[in-house]
Amino acid sequence: KAGVTQTPRYLIKTRGQQVTLSCSPISGHRSVSWYQQTPGQGLQFLFEYFSETQRNKGNFPGRFSGRQFSNSRSEMNVSTLELGDSALYLCASSFRKAGETQYFGPGTRLLVL
Amino acid sequence: GQQLNQSPQSMFIQEGEDVSMNCTSSSIFNTWLWYKQEPGEGPVLLIALYKAGELTSNGRLTAQFGITRKDSFLNISASIPSDVGIYFCAGQMDSNYQLIWGAGTKLIIKP
Repeated sequence: KAGVTQTPRYLIKTRGQQVTLSCSPISGHRSVSWYQQTPGQGLQFLFEYFSETQRNKGNFPGRFSGRQFSNSRSEMNVSTLELGDSALYLCASSFRKAGETQYFGPGTRLLVL
Repeated sequence: GQQLNQSPQSMFIQEGEDVSMNCTSSSIFNTWLWYKQEPGEGPVLLIALYKAGELTSNGRLTAQFGITRKDSFLNISASIPSDVGIYFCAGQMDSNYQLIWGAGTKLIIKP
């Protein structure tokens, strides 16, 4: 069974731009969660989607948004990028609920200049 | 947001030594998970625990779900160079809630 895939793996943007990251969950998984990880930090929860609906949201500004498609693939968007948005963005999928065992993708490393 | 207390923050050990790390919480958890993350990659699940007192092994790794349901520990026996990485614990209070994550334990093996 293929794992969680994320594209792109690396991205360089400048302040003020926007970016869209993509995540394809494991086949059959319907819950997709997004996390931000900065150097030396743990995982900061962004949001979770299930059946195309945002089910949970972390404490991030409205510049961070996401969506999920009918095939469970998910995208997250960050508008008006700031230097502090430079981070590894991780996507995780689980079968039904975010609290179940989550399987992570390799992440997208975003650098904002 | 809420975090688990994971310790130690980092460990410098010699190859062959045993390693022990733990996570504690003021809340009761129904599930404990242990992940390992290597540089530039996403976390990989090592061990999942679902019952208080449960002791589970995965090769040289052993993890236990504390009897109080407020803690868990992970042991690595006879460490080898490929054990280097950051180990995260994650807990779940209820099936409807998100996982809550520890800040990680960075394992470094001294040459």
